[in-house]
Amino acid sequence: KAGVTQTPRYLIKTRGQQVTLSCSPISGHRSVSWYQQTPGQGLQFLFEYFSETQRNKGNFPGRFSGRQFSNSRSEMNVSTLELGDSALYLCASTPGGGSANYEQYFGPGTRLTVT
Amino acid sequence: AQSVAQPEDQVNVAEGNPLTVKCTYSVSGNPYLFWYVQYPNRGLQFLLKYITGDNLVKGSYGFEAEFNKSQTSFHLKKPSALVSDSALYFCAVRDPRTGGFKTIFGAGTRLFVKA
Repeated sequence: KAGVTQTPRYLIKTRGQQVTLSCSPISGHRSVSWYQQTPGQGLQFLFEYFSETQRNKGNFPGRFSGRQFSNSRSEMNVSTLELGDSALYLCASTPGGGSANYEQYFGPGTRLTVT
Repeated sequence: AQSVAQPEDQVNVAEGNPLTVKCTYSVSGNPYLFWYVQYPNRGLQFLLKYITGDNLVKGSYGFEAEFNKSQTSFHLKKPSALVSDSALYFCAVRDPRTGGFKTIFGAGTRLFVKA
């Protein structure tokens, strides 16, 4: 089975621009979560999608948004980029549904640099 | 609020010696607990989890962790460290009452194993 894939792997954007990151979960997985990883803040939960609906949300401003498609692929969007948005964005998938005791499977991440 | 503390930024161990990476959590009820490892320029890999039952759980690569409810701890251990164990280790907690897979991660502990 192919793992979680994220595109692009690297991205450089300018302040004020917007960006869209993509995540394809493991085949059959229905839950996709997004995390932001920075040296100062560590790993922070952004949001989780399950069956095209946002199920959980972290404490990020409204500039951060996401969506999930019927094939479980997910995108996250950051509008009006700020320097502080520079980070590694990780996507994780789980089978979803039923029990919440599954571990998450992480993609390699998208490294976003805002200049 | 849920939180996870990893009190050590870095742990140094000689190869062949036992290692311990500490983790304490603050979640009421019966949380799910996880350990993940991150190698350079890669996403997180699942090591082990505690859901219920035996307090000592065994995971990948010879790692184990002991759940202690009274001390709200979930320390990661390995009897004999390898140089290849050098990586960044994250403890994580999930409150099953929230539904879904929202997971709170600790700040991470960098493990250095010296030959």
